[in-house]
Amino acid sequence: QSVLTQPPSASGTPGQRVNVSCSGSSSDIGTNPVDWYQQLPGAAPKLLIFGNNQRPSGVPDRFSGSKSGTSASLAISGLQSEDEAEYYCAAWDGSLNGPYVFGSGTKVTV
Amino acid sequence: QITLKESGPTLVRPTQTLTLTCTFSGFSLTTSGVAVGWIRQPPGKALEWLALIYWDDDTRYSPSLKTRLTITKDTSKNLVVLTMTNMDPVDTATYYCAQSSYNWNVLTWAFDIWGQGTTVTVSS
Repeated sequence: QSVLTQPPSASGTPGQRVNVSCSGSSSDIGTNPVDWYQQLPGAAPKLLIFGNNQRPSGVPDRFSGSKSGTSASLAISGLQSEDEAEYYCAAWDGSLNGPYVFGSGTKVTV
Repeated sequence: QITLKESGPTLVRPTQTLTLTCTFSGFSLTTSGVAVGWIRQPPGKALEWLALIYWDDDTRYSPSLKTRLTITKDTSKNLVVLTMTNMDPVDTATYYCAQSSYNWNVLTWAFDIWGQGTTVTVSS
């Protein structure tokens, strides 16, 4: 059972904005930065956002992250068909010595 | 270019020990601030972090699996090995290895680059 809670699904039409929430606790999200991963169908996960709101090189600025207290959110603006994927939030629990906990995943449908 | 590739058996019998190898290129696991971790994903389910080994040989394990896991590295061969003892059908999953590097701006570790994964089925 995942430590971080996400809604099972979210959807939008092309061009719309979609938000995916991630709820944790004081020991994980409340203490440490949040990362987000995108998993396209049949593929390995890919780092999408790290440190709450930082995008790795090559990730479009349509993707943005935020955190407040023990919750975090991923926003996808200008939704595109290729954004249809599973999205996972993650954070270290306690100190950065671990464990690293993942969310339950949210399937975004375009 | 950083790449990682997992290898190991596709079928394991219950109670057996699983040994998975992650062979990587494009970075060195002797470089300060670098680590390699293992994450698994049962069919249709969420990701689960298993273990991490740092450049300085320090290791971290999932508390729920700690007694069954061992992670080691061979820096001369650029590989990381994960062993999991006493395998059970519930351990059936795709196992990924991933590279992590410490980000000094946001003071955290994330899994930057992932391998393609290797599927392991536990069945008699």
